[in-house]
Amino acid sequence: KAGVTQTPRYLIKTRGQQVTLSCSPISGHRSVSWYQQTPGQGLQFLFEYFSETQRNKGNFPGRFSGRQFSNSRSEMNVSTLELGDSALYLCASSGGIDQETQYFGPGTRLLVL
Amino acid sequence: DQQVKQNSPSLSVQEGRISILNCDYTNSMFDYFLWYKKYPAEGPTFLISISSIKDKNEDGRFTVFLNKSAKHLSLHIVPSQPGDSAVYFCAASASGTYKYIFGTGTRLKVLA
Repeated sequence: KAGVTQTPRYLIKTRGQQVTLSCSPISGHRSVSWYQQTPGQGLQFLFEYFSETQRNKGNFPGRFSGRQFSNSRSEMNVSTLELGDSALYLCASSGGIDQETQYFGPGTRLLVL
Repeated sequence: DQQVKQNSPSLSVQEGRISILNCDYTNSMFDYFLWYKKYPAEGPTFLISISSIKDKNEDGRFTVFLNKSAKHLSLHIVPSQPGDSAVYFCAASASGTYKYIFGTGTRLKVLA
């Protein structure tokens, strides 16, 4: 079974631009979560989607948004990029027999200049 | 408010010895806990989990212990191997929240 995939793997943007990141979950997984990881911080929860509905969100500004499609693929968007948005963005999916365990993709490394 | 804390940012252990990584939490509603290992430039890899109805779970060289009264969990790796060198994160979740809170990680270095 293929794992979680994320595209692109690396991205360089400038302040003020917007960016869209994509995540394809493990086949059969219907829950997708997004996290931001910055140096010195753990993984900060952004939001979680299940069946195209956002079930929970973290404490991030409204510039961070997401959506999920009917095939469970998910995208997250960051508008009006700031230097502090430079981070590794990780996507995780869960479902199947073990509903509770999240499996992570390789991440998208975003650099904002 | 850091609900999940890993107070040791780093740990060095000799190959073959036991590695003990610790994690404390403050939210008594957490009832499911996971450990992940992360190498640079990769996503976290799931290692082992435990629900609050248990106090121990084993999987090969990895054992997780949960002390609910102390709000503390630990990951034991026996015997430690150089390939175990990575950053280890603990995570916690409360049923129905669909949200995992991660600690800041402990960097384990296993010395050959």
